[in-house]
Amino acid sequence: DQQVKQNSPSLSVQEGRISILNCDYTNSMFDYFLWYKKYPAEGPTFLISISSIKDKNEDGRFTVFLNKSAKHLSLHIVPSQPGDSAVYFCAASGGGSGTYKYIFGTGTRLKVLA
Amino acid sequence: EAQVTQNPRYLITVTGKKLTVTCSQNMNHEYMSWYRQDPGLGLRQIYYSMNVEVTDKGDVPEGYKVSRKEKRNFPLILESPSPNQTSLYFCASSLRVQDSPLHFGNGTRLTVT
Repeated sequence: DQQVKQNSPSLSVQEGRISILNCDYTNSMFDYFLWYKKYPAEGPTFLISISSIKDKNEDGRFTVFLNKSAKHLSLHIVPSQPGDSAVYFCAASGGGSGTYKYIFGTGTRLKVLA
Repeated sequence: EAQVTQNPRYLITVTGKKLTVTCSQNMNHEYMSWYRQDPGLGLRQIYYSMNVEVTDKGDVPEGYKVSRKEKRNFPLILESPSPNQTSLYFCASSLRVQDSPLHFGNGTRLTVT
């Protein structure tokens, strides 16, 4: 059972426009959420995180929104740049019952067109 | 430089031949973890460790062993590798057990024939 889902395998956006990547989760015990970017032949790189006590966190061009009632989070990249082209993973942790797992989604490949 | 170091980067082996993938971090992190990445399945957690001598299973632990004898090292052991363990493996660490981002190594691509 996939607890963290990224339903869009790929996304193409024009340079300078907004990129919106979405992520849904099923476990209401998750209390910490993260976004990672991954280039080929490299490990995932941490982008931004959000605690469940917040609904928004911003860092430069990256903003993460959390909607706990809908069990949904999104990553906004504004403005999008060609260097943002990568695979993006969302992740969640804090599943309760004394577990300390970090659960990842399957990823969304973002392509920013120049 | 703060980093997570995995070795080797590439490994080709045969079914049943025991192997170890090493992972070391120089950031004094408490939490360490192993993931495998497979097409269409994302990153799946194999094992994690909350501190020295404290380890627990992730979502796909079958066929793997780990140990955490020192804080900085978290090797992944495949006692009898099989072709379905062909994958891209990542080691990661974080400062705290909770509410702390994971920092990843550059990966080990394992092929089992």
